[in-house]
Amino acid sequence: AQSVTQPDARVTVSEGASLQLRCKYSYSGTPYLFWYVQYPRQGLQLLLKYYSGDPVVQGVNGFEAEFSKSNSSFHLRKASVHWSDSAVYFCVLSVNNYAQGLTFGLGTRVSVFP
Amino acid sequence: GGIITQTPKFLIGQEGQKLTLKCQQNFNHDTMYWYRQDSGKGLRLIYYSITENDLQKGDLSEGYDASREKKSSFSLTVTSAQKNEMAVFLCASSQPGQGPGQLYFGEGSKLTVL
Repeated sequence: AQSVTQPDARVTVSEGASLQLRCKYSYSGTPYLFWYVQYPRQGLQLLLKYYSGDPVVQGVNGFEAEFSKSNSSFHLRKASVHWSDSAVYFCVLSVNNYAQGLTFGLGTRVSVFP
Repeated sequence: GGIITQTPKFLIGQEGQKLTLKCQQNFNHDTMYWYRQDSGKGLRLIYYSITENDLQKGDLSEGYDASREKKSSFSLTVTSAQKNEMAVFLCASSQPGQGPGQLYFGEGSKLTVL
């Protein structure tokens, strides 16, 4: 069975600093990978997705993620965070073309301080 | 654009009570989902529906019923609320052909059982 691990439950960062959120997955085949963000009192929103090709994918609001098959990872990065980036970030894995087959990580709560 | 509306936003019930959550979407999406979000446990799929009047069980369907009488709406019933239960229920929708993992979420319904 597949799984997703987000090793950091909470991350605190100063406004303007860089951010990296780690995600490791377990799946023997080629995965589809996603990052979702959940802002306070809101539903989840898709931040970016990786299907194939260039391992670095760009998302909304300056976020990017890098896929590494050798490391089974899909880390999320942002060069300079803003206080509005405070949210919970979920790494998500799909092993087929069906949205009902999604495996969610537990999430990383990011707090940005001025 | 579209929106997913969940009602009620907050639901307080008594142990053993049957409780119903409702979800409406105006994306005209075929597939709809109910997820349960517990602190520290990520998102778990309860039920999904690929079309009107279709119901498919997810990993967490025991203790729940669902109903999809119209394409735009999807209801979830907690058949017997458990004492001290607290969770957020998220409704989502997707459209086949838009790629795996592309879900649109509502803001959630928070359940508290006294």
